Amino acid sequence: RKEVEQDPGPFNVPEGATVAFNCTYSNSASQSFFWYRQDCRKEPKLLMSVYSSGNEDGRFTAQLNRASQYISLLIRDSKLSDSATYLCVVNEGTGGFKTIFGAGTRLFVKA
Amino acid sequence: NAGVTQTPKFRVLKTGQSMTLLCAQDMNHEYMYWYRQDPGMGLRLIHYSVGEGTTAKGEVPDGYNVSRLKKQNFLLGLESAAPSQTSVYFCASSYSRDRGPLHFGPGTRLTVT
Repeated sequence: RKEVEQDPGPFNVPEGATVAFNCTYSNSASQSFFWYRQDCRKEPKLLMSVYSSGNEDGRFTAQLNRASQYISLLIRDSKLSDSATYLCVVNEGTGGFKTIFGAGTRLFVKA
Repeated sequence: NAGVTQTPKFRVLKTGQSMTLLCAQDMNHEYMYWYRQDPGMGLRLIHYSVGEGTTAKGEVPDGYNVSRLKKQNFLLGLESAAPSQTSVYFCASSYSRDRGPLHFGPGTRLTVT
């Protein structure tokens, strides 16, 4: 089982749609969680951190379920500019240093 | 404030050649990392540093060496390049070891023929 697993997609959605991505992680001791966005041939950029209480930033909502060990990202009212790959990232923080990246979920938003 | 910069942006090497990738950050971050990204796989950590003068192995360190002589710079060396090292290399830095987000450079696309 991969340490961080994401649906690779691609997700093809029309503008204005709501789309949800899920991510599961294997280490129950993981401490912090993030969603990054990566545009084609560019570097990953932090989209948002994920907190236990859930958090929202405009059209984006991130949730964490520690009991089930999954993280979600919801994008409402999709824009063409949301087309990108979304990476789920988990810091294990078990005394050593270990940041695990998912392979990413590709999103295409079409007019 | 340039953030994290990398040089070069592109490079083509022949098998057996050597090269050094340079990463620089101006955010005064203690922690710096080198990752590689291959199609269909998540970013994998090659080496990292928790401060000036320190380095440590990551997940896939074989065939690479690193140095952190100055806090703002982190160098990645390939002593004898192999086709399996064809990849996109990203440098990153962070202020916190366990909880902080990573700030990435723009990447270096390396092809080894």
